[in-house]
Amino acid sequence: QVQLVQSGGGLVKPGGSLRLSCAASGFTFSDHYMSWIRQAPGKGLEWVSYISNSGSNIYYADSVKGRFTISRDNAKNSLFLQMNSLRAEDTAVYYCARGVGADLGYWGQGTLVTVSS
Amino acid sequence: DVVMTQSPLSLSVTLGQPASISCRSSQSLVYSDGNTYLHWFQQRPGQSPRRLIYKVSNRDSGVPDRFSGSGSGTDFTLKISRVEAEDVGVYYCMQGTHWPLYTFGQGTKLEIK
Repeated sequence: QVQLVQSGGGLVKPGGSLRLSCAASGFTFSDHYMSWIRQAPGKGLEWVSYISNSGSNIYYADSVKGRFTISRDNAKNSLFLQMNSLRAEDTAVYYCARGVGADLGYWGQGTLVTVSS
Repeated sequence: DVVMTQSPLSLSVTLGQPASISCRSSQSLVYSDGNTYLHWFQQRPGQSPRRLIYKVSNRDSGVPDRFSGSGSGTDFTLKISRVEAEDVGVYYCMQGTHWPLYTFGQGTKLEIK
């Protein structure tokens, strides 16, 4: 069965960095776009970034452009989100999900990122 | 950017009664391939979002048939024919037609009266 297992996250000071990981199984990872979507405490869902199956097409929300980097390792069935220059407003639960607009049928369990001094 | 507007933002329903959530988009969601990429997600308390309905009216595997989706163009509806306790949570519509920025509605919180 399809599984997306996330790791990383935690408490970081403003200006700090974190790397999130998402390990995929149960499907051919290299055939699918992958996304990161976040949810601030008590708020709705916000698209953060997505990456094409080959890694050649990448999108970032304006709110994270220049600070976050999405990447993937198809040989290891893994998706990553490197988050630099973190701000208090980046505090959220981050979800990885399979696909983009036509998919999103599978989501990871979510990982909490807290940016606070 | 395409704006997705849900109503109501909160809903209190008696067990066994129907519920309906509206979602309107600021642009037509019909894609060039003829499909309409409007999906519905359920997020139970403390859980990840789960897709219920894809492309307007197709139920995902394991989704009870009391959930149904309908609509076209810019107006869409999620209906629950008989609300059960396990349906408590927040429901989101999402447009997957207009890229690069796919967008979610604000969410509708469903509670039991």
